[in-house]
Formats: sequence, structure tokens, C-alpha cells
Amino acid sequence: KNQVEQSPQSLIILEGKNCTLQCNYTVSPFSNLRWYKQDTGRGPVSLTIMTFSENTKSNRRYTATLDADTKQSSLHITASQLSDSASYICVVARPLAGNKLTFGGGTRVLVKP
Amino acid sequence: NAGVTQTPKFRVLKTGQSMTLLCAQDMNHEYMYWYRQDPGMGLRLIHYSVGEGTTAKGEVPDGYNVSRLKKQNFLLGLESAAPSQTSVYFCASSSQGTHGYTFGSGTRLTVV
Repeated sequence: KNQVEQSPQSLIILEGKNCTLQCNYTVSPFSNLRWYKQDTGRGPVSLTIMTFSENTKSNRRYTATLDADTKQSSLHITASQLSDSASYICVVARPLAGNKLTFGGGTRVLVKP
Repeated sequence: NAGVTQTPKFRVLKTGQSMTLLCAQDMNHEYMYWYRQDPGMGLRLIHYSVGEGTTAKGEVPDGYNVSRLKKQNFLLGLESAAPSQTSVYFCASSSQGTHGYTFGSGTRLTVV
């Protein structure tokens, strides 16, 4: 079964600190792996998109890594801000049948002052 | 730039009632999708469409129907609502490539 597992389920960090979120997937084949940010009451918004041949991709203070051999990805948040409080979702895109996405359950991040 | 617009944003239904959720996109995307999001779970695909006049089942299609009469609109119908359909529903659209995937802001549905 195609799955995307994320850890931890939630974490609390102090403003200004760094954190790393993990994603393990079994989806195969896949065309790209994405990280989304979802604020409370809003739809997911794309942070990064990596194809299977890319190892890292950055977007401002967010850096995603991908190891296609071990089927692991991570999202690193640098110098966290209060506005980083959100759920972060790892998503794997399957190339067949209409760009279907397989979603992880998300990691809920709370940044405290 | 409206992107993907969902209506309504909130709705409370009684068991057995019917309703239609509307999704509209202005990006000329070919593909449109309906997902549901439940606490602690990833988004799950209900139905999707790869073009005007076409629809297909996703992971959890039971209890829902969809229609794509116009390219820019994708409707999700609940014929006889059940408490198990209490959820947040998201519509999304994408171009034929796997990039350019855009989500709406969601519809929170409660069935009592």
C-alpha cells in the first residue's frame, strides 16, 4: 500500500530555534515529493517540490532534503518565527492517473515566543 | 487572482439531508479534485476529474457524487448526509503536469 508517514506528530519550539521534520514514504513510483504548509482553517500551500533526482530544495527559511534510495525526506525550518506555527504535510505525487497525491498525516508545529 | 474558490465555507446538515459543494477555478486547469481531511489523517481523495465532462473515483468515493459540466467548476454532492461525512472538504486543481497544484480554503461540514 502506498503510504507516507511523518514524524513527529507535533512539536513545540521556541522562536528563533531550528527544527527538522521527517517523512518516510513507500509510494512507488513517484514523480515528485512536496512539502506543504497548512495554516489553521486554510488550504495547504506548497513550500517545496523535488523530483526524484533532486537532493535538496530551499524556499526562504525552509529547506527540504530527499533521499530516494532510503525513501526519506526532511523539512528543516531555520530561525523559526511565530508565523511558522502550522501543520506541515509531506506529499508524494504519483505520475499515473491524474496527478494523484498521497498525503502524510502532517506534523503540527507550534512556535512559542 | 482568485485561484480556487470553494462555497460555502461552513455548513451544518441534518442526517439524511442533501447538499452540493461548489468549487471554481480561474487558472484554466484541466484537473480538479475533491479531498476530505479528518483529524490525524492525511487528505484523502474522494473524486477527481481530468477534464470537462469526465470524473473518476478516488480512495473514498462512497456517499458522494461529482459533476464537471464546465471546465472551471467541479461540484461535490452528498445525496443523503451521514455523521461519518463530518469533515473538512478541500478542492484542488492542477495543470496536466504534476506541478501547479492549488488548493481552495476548505469547507467545514458538520452532519448532526
